[in-house]
Amino acid sequence: DAGITQSPRYKITETGRQVTLMCHQTWSHSYMFWYRQDLGHGLRLIYYSAAADITDKGEVPDGYVVSRSKTENFPLTLESATRSQTSVYFCASTRRRTDTQYFGPGTRLTVL
Amino acid sequence: TQLLEQSPQFLSIQEGENLTVYCNSSSVFSSLQWYRQEPGEGPVLLVTVVTGGEVKKLKRLTFQFGDARKDSSLHITAAQPGDTGLYLCAGAWGNNNDMRFGAGTRLTVKP
Repeated sequence: DAGITQSPRYKITETGRQVTLMCHQTWSHSYMFWYRQDLGHGLRLIYYSAAADITDKGEVPDGYVVSRSKTENFPLTLESATRSQTSVYFCASTRRRTDTQYFGPGTRLTVL
Repeated sequence: TQLLEQSPQFLSIQEGENLTVYCNSSSVFSSLQWYRQEPGEGPVLLVTVVTGGEVKKLKRLTFQFGDARKDSSLHITAAQPGDTGLYLCAGAWGNNNDMRFGAGTRLTVKP
């Protein structure tokens, strides 16, 4: 299906475990982004990528790792999950840096 | 401290009423976007404003970008229950045109 998808949609994990959230887009957009959304903070940028093999930190990158070996995929890894990483995570893509961002449906992550 | 402050944080009104929500900053933005987000979904773009003083209309929604490009407002005329959602503003800021989001205004329109 065309568009941007995220998996899983829901995830419960324990403190200290590694978790990877997946993001896939079919538009061949150059830019991809990872945000977390928390009450009172809105959307905060974790990492973004301008193209395959090019990634950069956003506002809140600590505790997260990204990679982008293919244009269409942009996985986000929590190497050792903490309770403060409980959040809803959104992936987005866009053709150019400030164009319309197309968001995925989100992944709700709970860290116990 | 948010780069973009949105107010009010929550707004509950009756169907048919008018409302205005605000997005303010002390920084200048090269462009500003408004998104609406419904529960369980990602945000969806409503409009992008680029020029200071610009006004854009989308049916019953009117968007204005401040003359100094530091603030914006969204006015909804005759609100309907279908307008219920979280309204987010996002500004392109700094040398890298980083997009920064406000915390949003959560609007509830009661039938």
